[in-house]
Amino acid sequence: EAQVTQNPRYLITVTGKKLTVTCSQNMNHEYMSWYRQDPGLGLRQIYYSMNVEVTDKGDVPEGYKVSRKEKRNFPLILESPSPNQTSLYFCASSWGTSGETQYFGPGTRLLVL
Amino acid sequence: AQRVTQPEKLLSVFKGAPVELKCNYSYSGSPELFWYVQYSRQRLQLLLRHISRESIKGFTADLNKGETSFHLKKPFAQEEDSAMYYCALPGGRGANSKLTFGKGITLSVRP
Repeated sequence: EAQVTQNPRYLITVTGKKLTVTCSQNMNHEYMSWYRQDPGLGLRQIYYSMNVEVTDKGDVPEGYKVSRKEKRNFPLILESPSPNQTSLYFCASSWGTSGETQYFGPGTRLLVL
Repeated sequence: AQRVTQPEKLLSVFKGAPVELKCNYSYSGSPELFWYVQYSRQRLQLLLRHISRESIKGFTADLNKGETSFHLKKPFAQEEDSAMYYCALPGGRGANSKLTFGKGITLSVRP
């Protein structure tokens, strides 16, 4: 089944403890991206990747890192999480660019204490 | 800079009433616009895109370049249409390939 998967789905952590949220797609998509969803602010893009080893900042990249070593995987790294990073995170992928239909993962709900 | 504005946060209608979810954009160039929908406890999914000019689940959206709008419309709302709706604007090809979403609007359809 073609899909985008994220792990973990739920995570509670403490300030400063490094964490990684994984994202994987099995559709051979070139474009992958991360978003956070917050009440009243909608979806905001954190980082995106046009292909392997090609990443760029979205609108809210501060406090996040990403890597794209393989086409299928695009992990989101929080080196030192803070409470303002408590949010619902979505990974998405598509053919080519942001102008193609995005396929979203199920979301990861993160709480930073 | 590209921008998407969804001016309303919530729209509540009765079943059978017409629905219009507003979306305005700012973009220098020929835009491609999308509507995504998120039903309760589900992942976001594409509802429709303007270049396909199709009707999905009874929804349509027309790109109005003069008014820089891409409003989503449905003549008769159903309870199953209750969801969060996002308008989205891609940044185009090449290096500028951000994807900008509006803040979203919650549609509530009452029986």
